[in-house]
Amino acid sequence: GQQLNQSPQSMFIQEGEDVSMNCTSSSIFNTWLWYKQDPGEGPVLLIALYKAGELTSNGRLTAQFGITRKDSFLNISASIPSDVGIYFCAGQAKNAGNMLTFGGGTRLMVKP
Amino acid sequence: KAGVTQTPRYLIKTRGQQVTLSCSPISGHRSVSWYQQTPGQGLQFLFEYFSETQRNKGNFPGRFSGRQFSNSRSEMNVSTLELGDSALYLCASSLDLSGDNEQFFGPGTRLTVL
Repeated sequence: GQQLNQSPQSMFIQEGEDVSMNCTSSSIFNTWLWYKQDPGEGPVLLIALYKAGELTSNGRLTAQFGITRKDSFLNISASIPSDVGIYFCAGQAKNAGNMLTFGGGTRLMVKP
Repeated sequence: KAGVTQTPRYLIKTRGQQVTLSCSPISGHRSVSWYQQTPGQGLQFLFEYFSETQRNKGNFPGRFSGRQFSNSRSEMNVSTLELGDSALYLCASSLDLSGDNEQFFGPGTRLTVL
């Protein structure tokens, strides 16, 4: 089963709001990745983090690799409707090839 | 550059049957990993192939197997299908095994077992 605890499980957003989600692990990872998955599609890589403490941005997205190597967060600023979807964190351990351990996902929905 | 392709996109089988899914990685990528995605268990690693050899394996029964061909294309096979095998099966390709390169996912094969 999964080893990564991702929260929140779901959240409603209003356009323009900032969004924050995070992942914690009982194990150390060498790489943290954030993916977004739209219905009927495979996950698409948003941000990759390779160094503890690293803070990386990709447009309105910012992610950080925790200093303990056991956690990571993703922030989305000024959300827009197309941000709706499921976001997954994933960790990659040393000497494990490309094997990824995924979090349970955060479902982002638009407030009616 | 074409992305990762998976065939078929949808499949319906009955319990006890076997199924073979196919994945073509991005040109030049030699590592192919397979994942199972279900609402209950989320995304779980099945196995990884590189240079026609299985390099890593997840915690799945022996009914799940795979192989990789010399052109890096990969297939996974599930024998004696169970209802719980209904899932989205995703494959991901990467340049090599270093773990320093991005992994790109295909659209998945949706398997329904009746």
